[in-house]
Amino acid sequence: ETGVTQSPTHLIKTRGQQVTLRCSSQSGHNTVSWYQQALGQGPQFIFQYYREEENGRGNFPPRFSGLQFPNYSSELNVNALELDDSALYLCAYEGWREQYFGPGTRLTVT
Amino acid sequence: GQQVMQIPQYQHVQEGEDFTTYCNSSTTLSNIQWYKQRPGGHPVFLIQLVKSGEVKKQKRLTFQFGEAKKNSSLHITATQTTDVGTYFCAGRGNNAGNMLTFGGGTRLMVKP
Repeated sequence: ETGVTQSPTHLIKTRGQQVTLRCSSQSGHNTVSWYQQALGQGPQFIFQYYREEENGRGNFPPRFSGLQFPNYSSELNVNALELDDSALYLCAYEGWREQYFGPGTRLTVT
Repeated sequence: GQQVMQIPQYQHVQEGEDFTTYCNSSTTLSNIQWYKQRPGGHPVFLIQLVKSGEVKKQKRLTFQFGEAKKNSSLHITATQTTDVGTYFCAGRGNNAGNMLTFGGGTRLMVKP
């Protein structure tokens, strides 16, 4: 087990709504990345946080935003949900070499 | 921006046959990582390659990093049903702050 947890496991939202996804690690790692994984595709990098500051961002619009807290847990917020936002959202904490992924949150937008 | 392509997208093999997936980057990489994702699961780290021409083995799995550090491969010898899943390569660029870029993955299906 990676010690990375995500909540909720599954979520169904309506187009136009807002959603907050959460991620935490027991390991004390201070760098966390968020990914969007559409069905049948590889994870796409959304952004990374290091010690509460955004440390890099992929090609996602501003309605995707995040936070990291002093205990290194993190949130991903998505505003004005669109149907194409339906995906598995993964967070991953950076180890010295690899990334430790959480189990993901399956978001369905109807 | 950096792009990472993987082929094939799918591969069906009979148990005992070999399997290879190939990964190509549009830019030179500082390192490449491989992950395995079981159906319904999350990516799990397999290995990291850093040096040009590097070859690493893990039991029946052989990983290679190209001389130009732009391509990589994963070869599985004598597949087993436990090898089922999607294999992703993920490359990290040379610039500071470059994040991991994942390929589209190769989904391996093994017939017993």
